[in-house]
Amino acid sequence: TQLLEQSPQFLSIQEGENLTVYCNSSSVFSSLQWYRQEPGEGPVLLVTVVTGGEVKKLKRLTFQFGDARKDSSLHITAAQPGDTGLYLCAVVYSGGGADGLTFGKGTHLIIQP
Amino acid sequence: GAVVSQHPSWVICKSGTSVKIECRSLDFQATTMFWYRQFPKQSLMLMATSNEGSKATYEQGVEKDKFLINHASLTLSTLTVTSAHPEDSSFYICSARSLTGSTGANVLTFGAGSRLTVL
Repeated sequence: TQLLEQSPQFLSIQEGENLTVYCNSSSVFSSLQWYRQEPGEGPVLLVTVVTGGEVKKLKRLTFQFGDARKDSSLHITAAQPGDTGLYLCAVVYSGGGADGLTFGKGTHLIIQP
Repeated sequence: GAVVSQHPSWVICKSGTSVKIECRSLDFQATTMFWYRQFPKQSLMLMATSNEGSKATYEQGVEKDKFLINHASLTLSTLTVTSAHPEDSSFYICSARSLTGSTGANVLTFGAGSRLTVL
């Protein structure tokens, strides 16, 4: 089973619309990160949330960490074509003894002009 | 800010040959680097953790003899795909851990990735 479930998997909307993507798990995490990845590039860190209920804003992007620290959401207001990309949530998971990041499958977002 | 460089950006090779991908931390020292693989339209899958001066730690299902990792210095880790086959074609991404000065929180910086195509 996937540690992090992201939804929706694909989303295509018009410029100017609002959207929310979700990252859910049955596990509790000390922190959670959101990344954006463009084709042919590595992921770029957008934000780290660490406190249950925490809300962080990055321009038109609003990130929220669930009260129980099991889930998170990313809301984009007035989406622009430049927001197009793969949005990934990730947590540090010591499953194999290593502490690399474990990623969700991501949300492929396309903003049409 | 911290920068991680990968080389080459893309490589095409014949089946059966070996390919080496380098991951360098340009302006910081990284005792730990991570290697990921990403297939088209899919997420990043952690392959292994590269520790400077010691053996890499591989995730379950990743063949250590096929994906050789060497972390010989605090700024360089290499991934060698041995006897590559078409199913090894993928986007390989590394990341390096640095310590932020103010908060002490571990931060991972990702390279731009290396696209491997095996013919």
